[in-house]
Amino acid sequence: DARVTQTPRHKVTEMGQEVTMRCQPILGHNTVFWYRQTMMQGLELLAYFRNRAPLDDSGMPKDRFSAEMPDATLATLKIQPSEPRDSAVYFCASGYGGGQETQYFGPGTRLLVL
Amino acid sequence: GDSVTQMEGPVTLSEEAFLTINCTYTATGYPSLFWYVQYPGEGLQLLLKATKADDKGSNKGFEATYRKETTSFHLEKGSVQVSDSAVYFCALSDSNYQLIWGAGTKLIIKP
Repeated sequence: DARVTQTPRHKVTEMGQEVTMRCQPILGHNTVFWYRQTMMQGLELLAYFRNRAPLDDSGMPKDRFSAEMPDATLATLKIQPSEPRDSAVYFCASGYGGGQETQYFGPGTRLLVL
Repeated sequence: GDSVTQMEGPVTLSEEAFLTINCTYTATGYPSLFWYVQYPGEGLQLLLKATKADDKGSNKGFEATYRKETTSFHLEKGSVQVSDSAVYFCALSDSNYQLIWGAGTKLIIKP
């Protein structure tokens, strides 16, 4: 049963520290999405890759967030420096297809910035 | 731009009751429509989908029909169980192949 994996599952850090979240998409999938979920804002799309190329990162605060896909099996989301308002659950999702494909979500990284 | 509107929650029902969660959309073109479910502490998972008008998606006793004339994709289940308690998200795929999400509806089923 292929699944999207995310590490770490939980992260507590202090304001100003760097945070790196990792995602392993389902093998063979060519699209990767990063989302942030909070009670106030709901589910927000941060960035979107297809065939490892960033297609849309307009939802991401550029000054502190960065997203990359160093290879087809790894996507990373980095926050530097982190702030308390970044506390949220971060989800990675992957999919495959020419369009309108189903997205498969990972279990999420629950981030708390103190 | 494209958008999805779903009924606000929480929706509280007794076990074995009939469920409807309303979802309407605004879109150009012919999007696919999705219902995702999120159980506590987990990621979202696809519940069902429909790719064209009049298609009915179904899974685990849940159903939704793609109604182009009313731009709706309401989720229904004939008899809910306590295990159905979760947050349900309606979504559509836009022309850029991204998903446009509704705000989510929390469903609480009481024994």
